[in-house]
Amino acid sequence: SAVISQKPSRDICQRGTSLTIQCQVDSQVTMMFWYRQQPGQSLTLIATANQGSEATYESGFVIDKFPISRPNLTFSTLTVSNMSPEDSSIYLCSVSNRGRGEKLFFGSGTQLSVL
Amino acid sequence: DAKTTQPNSMESNEEEPVHLPCNHSTISGTDYIHWYRQLPSQGPEYVIHGLTSNVNNRMASLAIAEDRKSSTLILHRATLRDAAVYYCILRVLSYSGNTPLVFGKGTRLSVIA
Repeated sequence: SAVISQKPSRDICQRGTSLTIQCQVDSQVTMMFWYRQQPGQSLTLIATANQGSEATYESGFVIDKFPISRPNLTFSTLTVSNMSPEDSSIYLCSVSNRGRGEKLFFGSGTQLSVL
Repeated sequence: DAKTTQPNSMESNEEEPVHLPCNHSTISGTDYIHWYRQLPSQGPEYVIHGLTSNVNNRMASLAIAEDRKSSTLILHRATLRDAAVYYCILRVLSYSGNTPLVFGKGTRLSVIA
């Protein structure tokens, strides 16, 4: 298993500012993913955080808006840039190890409200 | 990714079995069937997964149809703590493990005391 710590757990931010969310895992993992969950909705994949290279973004998400870093096998950050109220969501970090059918582990998420 | 179809919501009485259905008629031979659940105010958690044969673990059982076009998650005795959104997800078989989960809308399970 993997224990994931996300910081902050929640924040209230002003429009036009940026927030960086941290994801720390208690063991080395191969894969790290970032998801968004808008109010009352299911989870949407933002990107795959690749160690030592640029993240792989899903359709509808771009690096300028959601820059991601992954400096090592236990840590990643997601920045939500130039925020607007539409960015108010829960952002979740997820990790997995390489292997067939490997399960994913999720953090508790960061609840972001943009005023 | 192949799609899954689940009922929007289901209700169960406490301490009774719950059968959560999932249809995945376009499943391919390389798709694993995964079930995750999301308790209120938490991230999703793994429940069970399988490929062809039925699977059991301490949380639940997974019954997979012979043609693999549908599956059923079975909670043997529902408790109030099982109230959650349950997601049935197909995930490509991959030795590289680099396929994330693609979530549908899931089934919201309510458990009545």
